[in-house]
Amino acid sequence: GQNIDQPTEMTATEGAIVQINCTYQTSGFNGLFWYQQHAGEAPTFLSYNVLDGLEEKGRFSSFLSRSKGYSYLLLKELQMKDSASYLCAVRDSNYQLIWGAGTKLIIKP
Amino acid sequence: IAGITQAPTSQILAAGRRMTLRCTQDMRHNAMYWYRQDLGLGLRLIHYSNTAGTTGKGEVPDGYSVSRANTDDFPLTLASAVPSQTSVYFCASSIESTGELFFGEGSRLTVL
Repeated sequence: GQNIDQPTEMTATEGAIVQINCTYQTSGFNGLFWYQQHAGEAPTFLSYNVLDGLEEKGRFSSFLSRSKGYSYLLLKELQMKDSASYLCAVRDSNYQLIWGAGTKLIIKP
Repeated sequence: IAGITQAPTSQILAAGRRMTLRCTQDMRHNAMYWYRQDLGLGLRLIHYSNTAGTTGKGEVPDGYSVSRANTDDFPLTLASAVPSQTSVYFCASSIESTGELFFGEGSRLTVL
């Protein structure tokens, strides 16, 4: 079967750095996405990785290792507004998205 | 720019009733999707449409139907609602080149 694993919840301190991991087992691979979802709102796109390596976008970076079936989202200089759920999703060989259950990130002052 | 508009935003419904959730996009995306999101579970695909006139079943299609008469509209119908269909429903469309999804604001449905 297809599976996306990510931690259920993480806590970090304002101003710090946090890494949210995602491991996947899917039938084929056509890209990995990270989305941010604030409570009661719709998910919004953060990043897309299709090749191995690090993609940096401001305070957020996303890393992919296809051979290990592994990705992480790195958030630097954490702000209170970063408190949200972070969703990892993989596009499989049929170009369908398989979603993880999401990681709820709690930022403390 | 509206993006994707869903209606209603919230609805309480008696079991056995018929309900249609509306979804309209103004981005001219070919592909559209309906997901449900339940606590502790990832987004689950109900139905999708790769282009106007075609639809396909997702992971959890039972009890739901969709139509795609044109590019902009993709309504989701519950023919006879049951309590297990209590959920938050998200409509989305995607850019073909990258697959990036754009979501509507969601419709919170409670079936009693």
